[in-house]
Amino acid sequence: DAKTTQPNSMESNEEEPVHLPCNHSTISGTDYIHWYRQLPSQGPEYVIHGLTSNVNNRMASLAIAEDRKSSTLILHRATLRDAAVYYCILSNFNKFYFGSGTKLNVKP
Amino acid sequence: DARVTQTPRDKVTEMGQEVTMRCQPILGHNTVFWYRQTMKQGLELLAYFRNRAPLDDSGMPKDRFSAEMPDATLATLKIQPSEPRDSAVYFCASGLDPGLAGGQTQYFGPGTRLLVL
Repeated sequence: DAKTTQPNSMESNEEEPVHLPCNHSTISGTDYIHWYRQLPSQGPEYVIHGLTSNVNNRMASLAIAEDRKSSTLILHRATLRDAAVYYCILSNFNKFYFGSGTKLNVKP
Repeated sequence: DARVTQTPRDKVTEMGQEVTMRCQPILGHNTVFWYRQTMKQGLELLAYFRNRAPLDDSGMPKDRFSAEMPDATLATLKIQPSEPRDSAVYFCASGLDPGLAGGQTQYFGPGTRLLVL
């Protein structure tokens, strides 16, 4: 199964941009890149996903490297409510395999 | 605001007892997933249904776990007999398969926190 590698934790200041990296060197041509986040005591929540091109939505942006072996989730202005564990997931045939994720701490 | 619902939210039981967890997927969704989350293993996929048919349950311990979809509005996960190592948070997720392998968004429920004594 395809694997993702993320830093265990990151810290950000409130209202500043945050760039969360993910390496997925074994990605196959049909794997989608998904990002989910999990707030304390809640289920994972969809953030964004893409295949080859960069993607933007109201929550975040997803920048995908040209060789697709890495991607970056960009939160444009972090808020205290963005403190969560962020998971980078590769998906093929709709099956998700979660890694350990990055715990984002946002300082006021 | 459509959501996945799960019952019960919390369950404490004794070893050897049967446990049944229920999930109501979002109306109109045709895929259902069961996950288990522990501190040690993180989030693990247990089973995956599409149009009520089980497509993959390779992540599930076969001897004691079973997953079913009696109808499109109900998915169940049963453990019989339960063991202390089954203590975890169990999440159900649903989605709408767009026919693009890997492009589906999954919507997660709040989870059932299970403690087996």
